[in-house]
Amino acid sequence: RKEVEQDPGPFNVPEGATVAFNCTYSNSASQSFFWYRQDCRKEPKLLMSVYSSGNEDGRFTAQLNRASQYISLLIRDSKLSDSATYLCVVNANTGNQFYFGTGTSLTVIP
Amino acid sequence: DGGITQSPKYLFRKEGQNVTLSCEQNLNHDAMYWYRQDPGQGLRLIYYSQIVNDFQKGDIAEGYSVSREKKESFPLTVTSAQKNPTAFYLCASSIGGGEYQPQHFGDGTRLSIL
Repeated sequence: RKEVEQDPGPFNVPEGATVAFNCTYSNSASQSFFWYRQDCRKEPKLLMSVYSSGNEDGRFTAQLNRASQYISLLIRDSKLSDSATYLCVVNANTGNQFYFGTGTSLTVIP
Repeated sequence: DGGITQSPKYLFRKEGQNVTLSCEQNLNHDAMYWYRQDPGQGLRLIYYSQIVNDFQKGDIAEGYSVSREKKESFPLTVTSAQKNPTAFYLCASSIGGGEYQPQHFGDGTRLSIL
């Protein structure tokens, strides 16, 4: 079983729509969780860290459900510039190893 | 400006040749990583280092070698034993030391075979 699994999509949504991505992880002892954004042919960039209580940054909301071992990312009022691949990343407790999902592709359509 | 610098941006390898990709960081991070990304694929871990003079194999270490002689530097050598080296190579660093802080990435090196 993979450490981190994501629905690869693609998700094609109209501008202004709300879209949600989920990601599951297999190691119940995982300690920290992140969402990264990767544009085509570029490096991943940190979008948000995910905290137990859930956290929000503008149009983006991240949530963690430890009991079900999944994290989610909600994007409200989608913009054309949100088009990218979103990577779910989990940091295990085994010493600085990060596990990446394969990414979910989002295209926001005018 | 603090960050991670990878060079070169583009690299071409001839058959039978070893090439070295540079990664330098001035973030004072203890941990450094090398990943490979193939088109349409996720990131795969090649090697990582948690402290100077120590490094560990990742999932796809065969055909690659690394060194960590200085905290700031973690060069990756793609040897001739790596038969399919064409990929996007990403270097990352994190604070390390048991702190569960995120990784930061360099802007990558694209390696192709001539």
